[in-house]
Amino acid sequence: AQSVTQLGSHVSVSEGALVLLRCNYSSSVPPYLFWYVQYPNQGLQLLLKYTSAATLVKGINGFEAEFKKSETSFHLTKPSAHMSDAAEYFCAVSVGGGYNKLIFGAGTRLAVHP
Amino acid sequence: EADIYQTPRYLVIGTGKKITLECSQTMGHDKMYWYQQDPGMELHLIHYSYGVNSTEKGDLSSESTVSRIRTEHFPLTLESARPSHTSQYLCATQAGGDEKLFFGSGTQLSVL
Repeated sequence: AQSVTQLGSHVSVSEGALVLLRCNYSSSVPPYLFWYVQYPNQGLQLLLKYTSAATLVKGINGFEAEFKKSETSFHLTKPSAHMSDAAEYFCAVSVGGGYNKLIFGAGTRLAVHP
Repeated sequence: EADIYQTPRYLVIGTGKKITLECSQTMGHDKMYWYQQDPGMELHLIHYSYGVNSTEKGDLSSESTVSRIRTEHFPLTLESARPSHTSQYLCATQAGGDEKLFFGSGTQLSVL
């Protein structure tokens, strides 16, 4: 069965610092992996996705994530945090490796300090 | 502009009441989903539909029911609300053959 674990429910960084949000997955089949972002009072928005092509995936707003099969990880990074990056971030894996149901992690709330 | 609409945005209701959470989309997508989200917890899939007259229960057992009479409408109903139903409910759509999910803004339900 597929599952997702996000390490750290809260992460705090200074503006301009590196952002690293951790995600580990468990999947019995080659996974499709996603990062979603949720701003206050808004629905989730797709940041980026991995679907078995390039292992380094670039998304919107300067975020990227690297798929590491040996570590079963899909960590999200951004070289320089901006105040507007403060939000909750969710990692997700699709059931069966396809395009259907997604299983989400518990989320990581990112705070950015001036 | 194509979008997903969830109403109400917030709902506070007493125990035992029947409620319906609305989800409508103008995306033209066949697939629709209901997720339940509690603070600090995973999003849990509670219902999904792959088209008109198609509904399935998700991974998390839920006392709610759904219907899909029209492509654009996927309401969720609780026949008798209880405090344990207090949560945020997120509706999402997905185009056939495309893995990207589009989410609504959610309904925050509080049952007293």
